[in-house]
Amino acid sequence: KAGVTQTPRYLIKTRGQQVTLSCSPISGHRSVSWYQQTPGQGLQFLFEYFSETQRNKGNFPGRFSGRQFSNSRSEMNVSTLELGDSALYLCATSMSGQETQYFGPGTRLLVL
Amino acid sequence: EDQVTQSPEALRLQEGESSSLNCSYTVSGLRGLFWYRQDPGKGPEFLFTLYSAGEEKEKERLKATLTKKESFLHITAPKPEDSATYLCAVQAGGGATNKLIFGTGTLLAVQP
Repeated sequence: KAGVTQTPRYLIKTRGQQVTLSCSPISGHRSVSWYQQTPGQGLQFLFEYFSETQRNKGNFPGRFSGRQFSNSRSEMNVSTLELGDSALYLCATSMSGQETQYFGPGTRLLVL
Repeated sequence: EDQVTQSPEALRLQEGESSSLNCSYTVSGLRGLFWYRQDPGKGPEFLFTLYSAGEEKEKERLKATLTKKESFLHITAPKPEDSATYLCAVQAGGGATNKLIFGTGTLLAVQP
């Protein structure tokens, strides 16, 4: 069974630009959550989608947004990039309810 | 506020030297406690889920236990390949969310 895939794996952007990251869940998984990982803050919850609806949202500014498609694939978008947005962005997927989540390899974003 | 604290921050062991990692939590309504392993530059890899106090789970050299306030990850006779960051996370509260609250991790180094 294929795991969670994330694209692209690496990105370099400059301040003020925007970026879109993609996450394809494990087959049959309908819940997708996004996390930001930095050395200083660790793993922090961004948002969660289930059946194309945002089910929960973390404490991040409105520049961070996401969506989920009918095939459960999800994208997250960060607009007006800031230096502090440099991080590893991870998505995690699960079947539906409160079961174990499986993580993808992440997208490493560097903002210059 | 829900909180997860891991200790120690870093641990260096000799091959074969057993030890334990600690994860203490303060949450309102624990639904599940999760242990993940993360290698540098990769996404977290699922290890265990624990749901209720007194529960124990084992996998190879690892054993996870849960009490009402903390969880331990016991590593018996570790090998160099066990070197990684070990992350603890909790799901808490009501609702249908999959949100995980993470601790900052324990960086384990096992020397041959």
